[in-house]
Amino acid sequence: AQSVAQPEDQVNVAEGNPLTVKCTYSVSGNPYLFWYVQYPNRGLQFLLKYITGDNLVKGSYGFEAEFNKSQTSFHLKKPSALVSDSALYFCAVRDRQAGANNLFFGTGTRLTVIP
Amino acid sequence: ETGVTQTPRHLVMGMTNKKSLKCEQHLGHNAMYWYKQSAKKPLELMFVYNFKEQTENNSVPSRFSPECPNSSHLFLHLHTLQPEDSALYLCASSGTGVVLSTEAFFGQGTRLTVV
Repeated sequence: AQSVAQPEDQVNVAEGNPLTVKCTYSVSGNPYLFWYVQYPNRGLQFLLKYITGDNLVKGSYGFEAEFNKSQTSFHLKKPSALVSDSALYFCAVRDRQAGANNLFFGTGTRLTVIP
Repeated sequence: ETGVTQTPRHLVMGMTNKKSLKCEQHLGHNAMYWYKQSAKKPLELMFVYNFKEQTENNSVPSRFSPECPNSSHLFLHLHTLQPEDSALYLCASSGTGVVLSTEAFFGQGTRLTVV
């Protein structure tokens, strides 16, 4: 079974400070991992993904995430937060060996960047 | 714009009504999804279609009935809904087969209110 955990419902960070949004996953095989962002009254927008290779993945808007297989984590990071980064962030996983397209999401973390 | 279009954006319906949600993509994807997003709950995967064939039905009540007439269109037929079915319904599409690593693209969602 596949699952994703985002342990923090809410993350607050001051503008200009580094931010981290945590994600851990569970799959029976090897994962494809994704981060999405959702702004109010909008659908989810893709930020970045880990498929294979370098564990540090860089994505849109200056975000990056690090795949850690031993800790089964895929935390989202940004060196310097902007007020415009305030949104709802979702981590998602797909088991590449499951042979299906099922994409499972975490509960989401609301990021608030304080001016 | 992500290339996935959902209509209507907002829908208010009574418990005895029948309505349908529509999703359309012209990204060349062969997998399409329906998700339900309720406040303070994980994004719930409802249905998955691969090449027009339903491959996943996550214990969704029969008052929700999906239809996928071709790889570009996906419908969600609604009848005799309950107030707890009020939520944001998101459609997504993605590649399949050897491109399981591709991210999903989401529509902006239909905000459904059952009265």
